[in-house]
Amino acid sequence: EADIYQTPRYLVIGTGKKITLECSQTMGHDKMYWYQQDPGMELHLIHYSYGVNSTEKGDLSSESTVSRIRTEHFPLTLESARPSHTSQYLCASSEWQQGGYTFGSGTRLTVV
Amino acid sequence: SQQGEEDPQALSIQEGENATMNCSYKTSINNLQWYRQNSGRGLVHLILIRSNEREKHSGRLRVTLDTSKKSSSLLITASRAADTASYFCATDATGNTPLVFGKGTRLSVIA
Repeated sequence: EADIYQTPRYLVIGTGKKITLECSQTMGHDKMYWYQQDPGMELHLIHYSYGVNSTEKGDLSSESTVSRIRTEHFPLTLESARPSHTSQYLCASSEWQQGGYTFGSGTRLTVV
Repeated sequence: SQQGEEDPQALSIQEGENATMNCSYKTSINNLQWYRQNSGRGLVHLILIRSNEREKHSGRLRVTLDTSKKSSSLLITASRAADTASYFCATDATGNTPLVFGKGTRLSVIA
């Protein structure tokens, strides 16, 4: 349905492991975002980027990092996974002009 | 920081009925957007309304915006079972800031 892809779709990982969630889009959008969403709850902004080599922190950024080396790619890294990181992670992109976001299908992360 | 607050939290209606969801927000906005999310999936953009607009239509969707009351409503007419999903409002404060989402309304349309 969308030209934005997230991998993996599901991930179960042990506490303390380093993980990278992948997000790629083929629409040439400059703006990209990472949100965290617990089931049935609102989305919380983790990081965002307005272009290559540009990254900004959101409300929940302290335990993760992002990079934007290519326009189409915006990976999210958790340096040391904890059970509190168990959640769904949603990547989105948008154009510079005011407009809606295109979301990926999400990565559902479980930290055991 | 939460900006939008949807009401009701959950809504259950019969197929063919209209569904109305409301969103209130706290600070001034450039635009307000509505999204739909099917269970366990990403969000799908439905409609955007700018601060200088009062009403917008898209198919069976009608969105209103009252900036004096800092509120918006989403009306889905002649609902279908396929409309069953969570609906979120999201606000953009300046036109160039990341969207802030509300908690959503869970809509169940019973066939």
